[in-house]
Amino acid sequence: DIVMTQSPDSLAVSLGERATINCKSSQSILHDSNNKKYLAWYQQKPGQSPKLLIYWASTRESGVPDRFSGSGSGTDFTLTISSLQAEDVAVYYCQQYYSIPITFGQGTRLEI
Amino acid sequence: QVQLVESGGGVVQPGRSLRLSCEVSGFRLGSYVMHWVRQAPGKGLEWVAVISDDGTNEYYVDSVRGRFTSSRDNSKNTLYLQMSSLRVEDTAVYYCAKGPHGMSPEHNWFGPWGQGTLVTVSS
Repeated sequence: DIVMTQSPDSLAVSLGERATINCKSSQSILHDSNNKKYLAWYQQKPGQSPKLLIYWASTRESGVPDRFSGSGSGTDFTLTISSLQAEDVAVYYCQQYYSIPITFGQGTRLEI
Repeated sequence: QVQLVESGGGVVQPGRSLRLSCEVSGFRLGSYVMHWVRQAPGKGLEWVAVISDDGTNEYYVDSVRGRFTSSRDNSKNTLYLQMSSLRVEDTAVYYCAKGPHGMSPEHNWFGPWGQGTLVTVSS
């Protein structure tokens, strides 16, 4: 199984500042056949179900504000929120879809 | 708009069975791979199962394989998760989630998700 490890576990950032969340996979999730990185990011606000933010490591889902961006290599990935807004308080999860079983990181709690 | 509504959760004793349903609207269920993901109270997300768009292929996480079965009735726009031999550690909110169009079941991100249904396994 591919293990996804996020850092930090929790993060406090001031309004308007940049937030960076890291995600590391235990093996490469870059597929040689299409040069795509099989990684997604989700946001889960308190009491809500998760919401897809990014897939293919850097493609924003329709309707997601452009302050959210994703980047990374074969094993190391980053979710960046360029200017933190109050509504961004949530737990963020990375997920690999390179192989079954699909696995998630443990989550990063983002606070103001 | 796209909606997924889970139902069927509740309190059940260890060893018993339960069937969850996920009724969808706003899209043609038969065109999409569908997933079940769970979240134990206060914990992170765990993928549970996937079923192909036509229901012919299924994959499960090791901890539920042989006990859980996913099925679908595309004519009723409904996905099911039959859970048997339930264990205390199966206690969680269970979400159904839609996979992306045109992707094979093993290679999916999830969106949107339903609101979830809580399953509590306790004696």
